[in-house]
Amino acid sequence: AAGVIQSPRHLIKEKRETATLKCYPIPRHDTVYWYQQGPGQDPQFLISFYEKMQSDKGSIPDRFSAQQFSDYHSELNMSSLELGDSALYFCASSSGQGGGTEAFFGQGTRLTVV
Amino acid sequence: DAKTTQPNSMESNEEEPVHLPCNHSTISGTDYIHWYRQLPSQGPEYVIHGLTSNVNNRMASLAIAEDRKSSTLILHRATLRDAAVYYCILRDQTGANNLFFGTGTRLTVIP
Repeated sequence: AAGVIQSPRHLIKEKRETATLKCYPIPRHDTVYWYQQGPGQDPQFLISFYEKMQSDKGSIPDRFSAQQFSDYHSELNMSSLELGDSALYFCASSSGQGGGTEAFFGQGTRLTVV
Repeated sequence: DAKTTQPNSMESNEEEPVHLPCNHSTISGTDYIHWYRQLPSQGPEYVIHGLTSNVNNRMASLAIAEDRKSSTLILHRATLRDAAVYYCILRDQTGANNLFFGTGTRLTVIP
């Protein structure tokens, strides 16, 4: 079965550069979530989209922005990168937002800022 | 968001059952109880969820207390591949329903 696809899997950027992470949800899933996981930390919710509209916002820095496109894929744009942005970024998707639906996670993008 | 409390770590011998507890004393009537796990260097993986009744699937069982203030994830026979961090998460039936990860339980399986 098709899973959530994230690209790239690894990314190395310098401080103050920009980065774009992409997420392709499972077909027919209309909800996308983004998470950041620092070394030894638990996943932290950043932002989510439902039917191409932002549905909730977590601890996402102002330097980051995201959107969900008409084909339901999503992109997380990160500007003015800082060393502290080095982390694993996970995307998840689900069908609908109901509390009884499960979310499926991608394998993540490992961002290293040097 | 309603909070959950889990032990930081647990150990189990291989091929023995494991009971992972979770307390959620402030759970609301519309909160689903979800369990996810994260294996090293991988994305979180859905395990099971339930609302009021106990649930079984191919991965695990979920036992929910009658007052819903606690639940237990049961792995019937732990394998080395079950070594992971297990997260108990409450997810409201309404609203944005995002998954907020707290501090889960790190399960070590001893061969």
